[in-house]
Formats: sequence, structure tokens, C-alpha cells
Amino acid sequence: EIVLTQSPEFQSVTPKEKVTITCRASQNIGNSLHWYQKKPDQSPKLVIKYTSQSISGVPSRFSGAGSGTEFTLTINGLEAEDAAAYYCHQSSTLPWTFGQGTEVEIK
Amino acid sequence: QLQLQESGPRLVKPSETLSLTCTVSGGSIDTPNYYWGWLRQPPGKGLEWIGSIYFSSTAYYNPSLNSRVALSIDTSKNQFSLSLSSVTAADTAVYWCASLLGVIDHWGQGIPVAVSS
Repeated sequence: EIVLTQSPEFQSVTPKEKVTITCRASQNIGNSLHWYQKKPDQSPKLVIKYTSQSISGVPSRFSGAGSGTEFTLTINGLEAEDAAAYYCHQSSTLPWTFGQGTEVEIK
Repeated sequence: QLQLQESGPRLVKPSETLSLTCTVSGGSIDTPNYYWGWLRQPPGKGLEWIGSIYFSSTAYYNPSLNSRVALSIDTSKNQFSLSLSSVTAADTAVYWCASLLGVIDHWGQGIPVAVSS
């Protein structure tokens, strides 16, 4: 099973600051890495697919980069509505796996 | 717009079988290339993929649950289902059904299921 390790696990950020979350895979997963935003009592929402592909309806401040085993999600200019947990997910190899999550708090 | 809705009991007794159904609307469950899946999140923990099924009934399961889980699909009703046997408190979680096209692109609203006597 491919293990995804996210860092940091928690981040407290001032509005308009830049947030960067890292996801490291235990083996090469190509570009099959996706990012989800999860707010309490809501279903997860896809914000970036295949490492860097944008999603219709998701603000352009969300971007992704990386390849192989190291990936990043960046939120440029954090807004209050971005407070959430963020999870990376790999669909390269079964079983599909997720990172443990990164909680982003607004200061 | 594709919509998914989970249904089923929200309380299951230990050692019994958890059964949930997902009804798909706004699209056909036999659409080529689409898989249909189940995921869950126990309280205070991360997300876990349970399994996925194609309209042909080809299914894939998380090995951590493999011996206890079964997915089925009913194209005539545009529904697919999850069966998880011999449940314990560790199976208490929010369960989601979802559509899968390489990524998890549509999620149901989720259904909380508690395992308790």
C-alpha cells in the first residue's frame, strides 16, 4: 500500500497569507495525486486533480505542483472560507489511499 | 449534475452487517469509464477508501476490509450498495458513496453510522 504523508498537520494562517501543504508518497505515483478540502459536516470537495489540474468552480488561488513522490498544494492569498482540512489522495495504485490531513486555521 | 444519496440504518449492532445503498441521479450508473465507490471517515480520523465497483459488477476492495466487504450494483434502479459484515465499534464512521473517474469527483452527502448495542 502506498503511504501518503502530509506536512504540516496543522497550520494557523493570517488571511491573505500563502499556505503550502506538502504530500510525500512512499513510492512513485506519477501525477496521480489529488487534493480535497473537507469542512466539518460537509462532504469532501475536489480542489486539484492530477497534481496540478484546476477544477471548475474552485478559486484560482488554489494550485498544485509536483511529481513522482513529492507534491504541494498552495493557497495564494488565504481567505476565511478556506479554513478546512485538506487531504491528498493517490489513485495510482490500489488500494487508493489518503494522507492523514492538514488542518488550516484562520488566525 | 450528478447527485448521489446514501440511505440505510444509522445504528448497527456489533457483529451484525452494515448495509447501505447509494442512489444515483442526474446520470446513468452504466456510463462507461465511471466507477462507483464507498469511502468513510471514523470520528477524529482520516479518509479511507472502502471499495469501488463498475457497472459490469467488477469490484475492488481495500485489503484492510477485504474479507468483510462486498459491493453490488443494480443498473435497473441506478443504485449500488455496500455490505460490511461482522462490524465492531471501529466501523463507526461517516460513510459516503461517490462517483469515480480517476478521481472522486462527486460525493454523496454522507451518512453517519454508529456501531453500538
